[in-house]
Amino acid sequence: QSALTQPASVSGSPGQSITISCAGTISDIGSYNLVSWFQQHPGKAPRLILYEGTKRPSGVSNRFSGSKSGYTASLTISGLQAEDEADYYCCSYAGSSTYVFGTGTTVTVV
Amino acid sequence: EVVLVESGGGLVQPGGSLRLSCAASGFTFRRDWMHWVRQAPGKGLVWVSRISPDGTGTTYADSVKGRFTFSRDNTKNTLYLQMNSLKAEDTAVYYCAREHYDGSGSAIDYWGQGTLVTVSS
Repeated sequence: QSALTQPASVSGSPGQSITISCAGTISDIGSYNLVSWFQQHPGKAPRLILYEGTKRPSGVSNRFSGSKSGYTASLTISGLQAEDEADYYCCSYAGSSTYVFGTGTTVTVV
Repeated sequence: EVVLVESGGGLVQPGGSLRLSCAASGFTFRRDWMHWVRQAPGKGLVWVSRISPDGTGTTYADSVKGRFTFSRDNTKNTLYLQMNSLKAEDTAVYYCAREHYDGSGSAIDYWGQGTLVTVSS
């Protein structure tokens, strides 16, 4: 049950696009299309922004998109806005009714 | 509106016990899988446990297996996390969260605001 690996921080300017990677293994991301992404602002509960890799819940901006290649999932934020400054976590089903989260990435809008 | 409200957190000595509760409303509670996820101060999210809709199936992270017990009362729309033999490393905000299948996919979609557990002497 090792955490999925994310970069500690990613930064970008307003309007730019950034991509956050989430590296797993054959036991989690490599075996299931069940990766979710969460956004968390300081002192707040996490908010679901993508599920099953590419699906957006109702109300989530289409500036958020996801993809997967092999054992790595990715979250892309297009048209970066100040409100996107937050921590982002990936999460994958890991088999046997267990889940694993990523190490988290702090996005800074510079 | 889906609402999850955790309670029961507080300060407990190492080796002690605590029971967290999570009151759910705004959805058909008995149909959904539910989770506990924790976050140590300044750290990332860590999955703790999952329970089936009828409460008969539970799984745990290795770090809490044998010490924590996840249960639910579908007549009261409430989850419980019994935490025994607590260690300093269990100090965290504990979130309950819903896993919902909407016909097109499944996701952990709603979270409570969390309750802080501090294990310290």
